[in-house]
Amino acid sequence: EVQLVQSGAEVKQPGESLKISCKGSGYSFTKHWIGWVRQMPGKGLEWMGLIYPGDSNTKYSPSFQGQVSISVDNSISTAYLQWSSLKASDTAMYYCGRAHYGQVDYWGQGTLVTV
Amino acid sequence: QSALTQPRSVSGSPGQSVAISCTGTNSDVGGYDYVSWYQQRPGKAPKLMIFDVTERPSGVPDRFSGSKSGNTASLTISGLQAEDEADYYCCSYAGRYTFDVVFGGGTKLTVL
Repeated sequence: EVQLVQSGAEVKQPGESLKISCKGSGYSFTKHWIGWVRQMPGKGLEWMGLIYPGDSNTKYSPSFQGQVSISVDNSISTAYLQWSSLKASDTAMYYCGRAHYGQVDYWGQGTLVTV
Repeated sequence: QSALTQPRSVSGSPGQSVAISCTGTNSDVGGYDYVSWYQQRPGKAPKLMIFDVTERPSGVPDRFSGSKSGNTASLTISGLQAEDEADYYCCSYAGRYTFDVVFGGGTKLTVL
């Protein structure tokens, strides 16, 4: 069974750093793109970026380029989303998903970040 | 790139059919057959309902169908049920030379 399990909710202060995770199981982790999606309170879904674990090829939405960093650790089948200096406006639910041409067939349960 | 355009809300009575449109450009919806639709209930992660414009994942009822004409994709839900009340988002591939995926703004479906 394919599963993506995200790390737990976080409460941070402005200016702090944060790294949240998304662990894949039940499939070949290195052969599928992983995407990160933001959902601010009461708002819609926004693509942040995508990473291909097989070669760490990473693409960022222009809105998030330079604001976050996406990485993977294939030894533990885990993708990461990282901030170096959080802002109040980063308060949101963050979802990871397994993506093929932007079509997400499996989603993580979401990680709520409160700044 | 700009978000795809969806109506903010649609409604229908149980048993009726509703259609949700998703309008893009020839650089996204009109240019590729990689349009997907997601259902999101309050407090839950999105769920894939349609992929590749018309395909349904295993387990999605056949009351849900997708189509595309030109730069506009549509999700049609027939035989509306109370459990279909949710937010629906479309998504399209937009090519490898830009950031290559974009969501619609979302549509709130109310079952009257």
